[in-house]
Amino acid sequence: DAGVIQSPRHEVTEMGQEVTLRCKPISGHDYLFWYRQTMMRGLELLIYFNNNVPIDDSGMPEDRFSAKMPNASFSTLKIQPSEPRDSAVYFCATGQGGLFDEQFFGPGTRLTVL
Amino acid sequence: GENVEQHPSTLSVQEGDSAVIKCTYSDSASNYFPWYKQELGKRPQLIIDIRSNVGEKKDQRIAVTLNKTAKHFSLHITETQPEDSAVYFCAASNNYGQNFVFGPGTRLSVLP
Repeated sequence: DAGVIQSPRHEVTEMGQEVTLRCKPISGHDYLFWYRQTMMRGLELLIYFNNNVPIDDSGMPEDRFSAKMPNASFSTLKIQPSEPRDSAVYFCATGQGGLFDEQFFGPGTRLTVL
Repeated sequence: GENVEQHPSTLSVQEGDSAVIKCTYSDSASNYFPWYKQELGKRPQLIIDIRSNVGEKKDQRIAVTLNKTAKHFSLHITETQPEDSAVYFCAASNNYGQNFVFGPGTRLSVLP
């Protein structure tokens, strides 16, 4: 297995633009997590899914952020409109045991909003 | 909600010495405590975890201890090597699937 796949690896956009980050989980993993990492706030859990259903989105910072998982092999995190303070590394992670077992992180997407 | 603190924020040790990183948590319902290692520019990777039904767990040079009464847990790395240099994050979680929180991280530098 190739591990968790994220795309794009780097994204530079201008304030106000829509940004879509993509994640392909490890096959057989039924939990998927989206994290944001910044120097100021560290690693923050934004939302997680179980069997494609959002379980907890309390970490999503604002309504500008939305996440979907239309099927077991694909998830998106969308920011619309983007702002400079959204600049961060966004990680997707997947696992089989939810929040009580190992999470396998993807390589991350480094987002820069100008 | 859960609050996880981690100390120290930076730690430098000589190669071969031991390193200890301590985390405290606030939610007494937390019962799963993983540790992740993140090398510069890389993704976090699990190195060890402990559940509340045990007080200590060991894996080669790495060990984790848990004190549920005091609500703290610690990572111990013995015989440190330069490749142990990274940022280490602790985290706490509970059975209710809520409040999975990472600590702010400790930057460990192992000096040759």
